[in-house]
Amino acid sequence: GAVVSQHPSWVICKSGTSVKIECRSLDFQATTMFWYRQFPKQSLMLMATSNEGSKATYEQGVEKDKFLINHASLTLSTLTVTSAHPEDSSFYICSTAVWGNEQYFGPGTRLTVT
Amino acid sequence: DQQVKQNSPSLSVQEGRISILNCDYTNSMFDYFLWYKKYPAEGPTFLISISSIKDKNEDGRFTVFLNKSAKHLSLHIVPSQPGDSAVYFCAARVYNQGGKLIFGQGTELSVKP
Repeated sequence: GAVVSQHPSWVICKSGTSVKIECRSLDFQATTMFWYRQFPKQSLMLMATSNEGSKATYEQGVEKDKFLINHASLTLSTLTVTSAHPEDSSFYICSTAVWGNEQYFGPGTRLTVT
Repeated sequence: DQQVKQNSPSLSVQEGRISILNCDYTNSMFDYFLWYKKYPAEGPTFLISISSIKDKNEDGRFTVFLNKSAKHLSLHIVPSQPGDSAVYFCAARVYNQGGKLIFGQGTELSVKP
């Protein structure tokens, strides 16, 4: 399957600071990437769709000014959690559609806000 | 409103037996269904998918069945192995929305030796 990487794999930050998470497609060009969030023992919830060279599309209830998404190249999308608070602590996962019908996921980033 | 539901949070199966994981959906605008396997603190791993125009897809030990009239799909794992123990998510792709997936809540499968 396609290889998708994320960095960092784990980050702890203080409340009020911003954190950037990178998602890279390593062996193909991804015009579209997706960002998901998973709280413990819960489902993966789509946050936004990231399109290369254009603004991201956010799901209902997701604050676009708080979760900044940039997809400046075909291999990199970034998610910045601005002014993070403890309730933003979660597992963030990116994915990308490959050959239309399958979606491959990165390993995820665990964010802990203290 | 949960559009994709996995009503069994957990399932325990003996090694060598069949594991059957179920998933129900409510939206008719899904064109593809996918199953993922996930370990804690890792990203989901793609297992198998099925188009909404099919009723069965098989890949090795994994078979997915789709019953469109009942809006139900299931993943069969035969024979089950201890290494299959993980959380399994079904996901539905929304038609014509660039690949957007809606996930179920997941079922934790435990395969006992």
